[in-house]
Amino acid sequence: QKEVEQDPGPLSVPEGAIVSLNCTYSNSAFQYFMWYRQYSRKGPELLMYTYSSGNKEDGRFTAQVDKSSKYISLFIRDSQPSDSATYLCAMRRTGNTPLVFGKGTRLSVIA
Amino acid sequence: DVKVTQSSRYLVKRTGEKVFLECVQDMDHENMFWYRQDPGLGLRLIYFSYDVKMKEKGDIPEGYSVSREKKERFSLILESASTNQTSMYLCASSAHSGNEQYFGPGTRLTVT
Repeated sequence: QKEVEQDPGPLSVPEGAIVSLNCTYSNSAFQYFMWYRQYSRKGPELLMYTYSSGNKEDGRFTAQVDKSSKYISLFIRDSQPSDSATYLCAMRRTGNTPLVFGKGTRLSVIA
Repeated sequence: DVKVTQSSRYLVKRTGEKVFLECVQDMDHENMFWYRQDPGLGLRLIYFSYDVKMKEKGDIPEGYSVSREKKERFSLILESASTNQTSMYLCASSAHSGNEQYFGPGTRLTVT
């Protein structure tokens, strides 16, 4: 079993839809959970991060972490064509440790 | 505006050539990383460095080496390029224990 599993999609939704993106993981030592967004022909950029379990909201984006289920989610409300990108989950242990990335989910929001 | 720059956007090399990929960051970050990104395989960590002259193997170090002589510069070296090293190479940097990695624009390397 890979440390981090993420459905690669592609996922195609109409403009205005609510999008749900998910990752599961196997390493219970992970404490920091992140979502990166990568536009075509660009490097990934950090979208949101959360520490341990709980929710975090930033505008149209909500990140959720359920450590008991080893499951993290990113919700996008009122999706826009500009949200079309690949979304990568990432996580790491405490201390100065590298990130472990999911494979990314490719999202297309159709106008 | 924080920046990670990579020496080339596109590179074409022949099998057996020695290839140098350079990465420079201007944020005084301690940590620097080299990844390759392939369709269906995602981002895979090749090597990382937490300090000058320090290096740690990532998940797929075979066929690669790195050099970090200065804090701002992290080089990836393909000692003898092979066709299976054709890929997008991404460099990133972060602060010590940082969650935000800043990525460069990537180098698309083709080995023929």
